[in-house]
Amino acid sequence: IAGITQAPTSQILAAGRRMTLRCTQDMRHNAMYWYRQDLGLGLRLIHYSNTAGTTGKGEVPDGYSVSRANTDDFPLTLASAVPSQTSVYFCASSDLLFPDTQYFGPGTRLTVL
Amino acid sequence: QKEVEQDPGPLSVPEGAIVSLNCTYSNSAFQYFMWYRQYSRKGPELLMYTYSSGNKEDGRFTAQVDKSSKYISLFIRDSQPSDSATYLCAMRIPGANNLFFGTGTRLTVIP
Repeated sequence: IAGITQAPTSQILAAGRRMTLRCTQDMRHNAMYWYRQDLGLGLRLIHYSNTAGTTGKGEVPDGYSVSRANTDDFPLTLASAVPSQTSVYFCASSDLLFPDTQYFGPGTRLTVL
Repeated sequence: QKEVEQDPGPLSVPEGAIVSLNCTYSNSAFQYFMWYRQYSRKGPELLMYTYSSGNKEDGRFTAQVDKSSKYISLFIRDSQPSDSATYLCAMRIPGANNLFFGTGTRLTVIP
């Protein structure tokens, strides 16, 4: 593993289904983030975690939950997917002391029908 | 109104041209400014950051910040086809580690 990996690469999901997007980093960064990217709206922060065991809400947290059981993993869960959650999801990480240098994963393209 | 506004383009220029990309913001609490570059179907990557008003140069790239006007710019000199990407401005309030991004400007440099 080098940097940040995300899985799956893409997914088509029926509305109402539960889905977990996976994110793993090998840089030992304290901080991790989940963004969604939509045309015309740009990147918006969903949830973040400054260190293992803590999480916080970003700009658009409704309908999403996260956990941070250890330093490397930061999964994002959609409990009951809705079509408005169709988006490209990016996971990112940074050293807590250098939050402006965020390293992004390749993204997960999610379509909710 | 979004806190960070950015013209989405698209912007198309010939190779060798000087490119100017701009963002405006409404929240004067933003003090730290970044430019990220995103190639198609990839995650963004940090290009430059600057924390003070004025210019910061890095090779062919110059970041400019005018806090009094709440306006930031990225200039690309001698643009290359490899510069074709979406450029996103980002900003941060001191003490927070959340970034606020612009919507991105899609740039194409034509050989």
